[in-house]
Amino acid sequence: AQRVTQPEKLLSVFKGAPVELKCNYSYSGSPELFWYVQYSRQRLQLLLRHISRESIKGFTADLNKGETSFHLKKPFAQEEDSAMYYCAPIRPYTGGGNKLTFGTGTQLKVEL
Amino acid sequence: GAVVSQHPSRVICKSGTSVKIECRSLDFQATTMFWYRQFPKQSLMLMATSNEGSKATYEQGVEKDKFLINHASLTLSTLTVTSAHPEDSSFYICSVSRGQHTEAFFGQGTRLTVV
Repeated sequence: AQRVTQPEKLLSVFKGAPVELKCNYSYSGSPELFWYVQYSRQRLQLLLRHISRESIKGFTADLNKGETSFHLKKPFAQEEDSAMYYCAPIRPYTGGGNKLTFGTGTQLKVEL
Repeated sequence: GAVVSQHPSRVICKSGTSVKIECRSLDFQATTMFWYRQFPKQSLMLMATSNEGSKATYEQGVEKDKFLINHASLTLSTLTVTSAHPEDSSFYICSVSRGQHTEAFFGQGTRLTVV
């Protein structure tokens, strides 16, 4: 069974400070992990996925299979980064699409 | 623009009544749609997978007779909460993907309050 742990419910940082949102997973098979973000009053949306190894809005995340982690990082937090962040491994569904298992989420608050 | 649309965004109903929530895929045909539930200050939990033209598959612990899912067309899935009770009050969200291993697009969610 898949399990995702996001140990921090709330993370408060000052603007310009580095950010690290932790995510640890347990997964049978090859994990495929995503980070989703929900800004205030907006719907959930994809931030980034580990297979693309991209940087979105300054955020990066590296899959560390040894530590079973997929932490989300940004060197300098911006006020607009304040949001709810969910780590989510996917289970491709044979009928099409993907089932997502969400972590508990971390509320990031960037203070001025 | 939005890829997925849910309706209504908010509904209040009396205990014992049924409520239907619609999820529409606006950009592409979706043979599969997913329904999630989110309690206040908690994470999203997958409830069921809606399959066009066949029965929905439910996650463990989710009552299929309570949460009826109909996926009658490639762009529409409905979730009906039958004989609603206050404990069914929650935020219900649907999602679609173009295919496996691709981004999931989410609806704006439906806030159900049962009084």
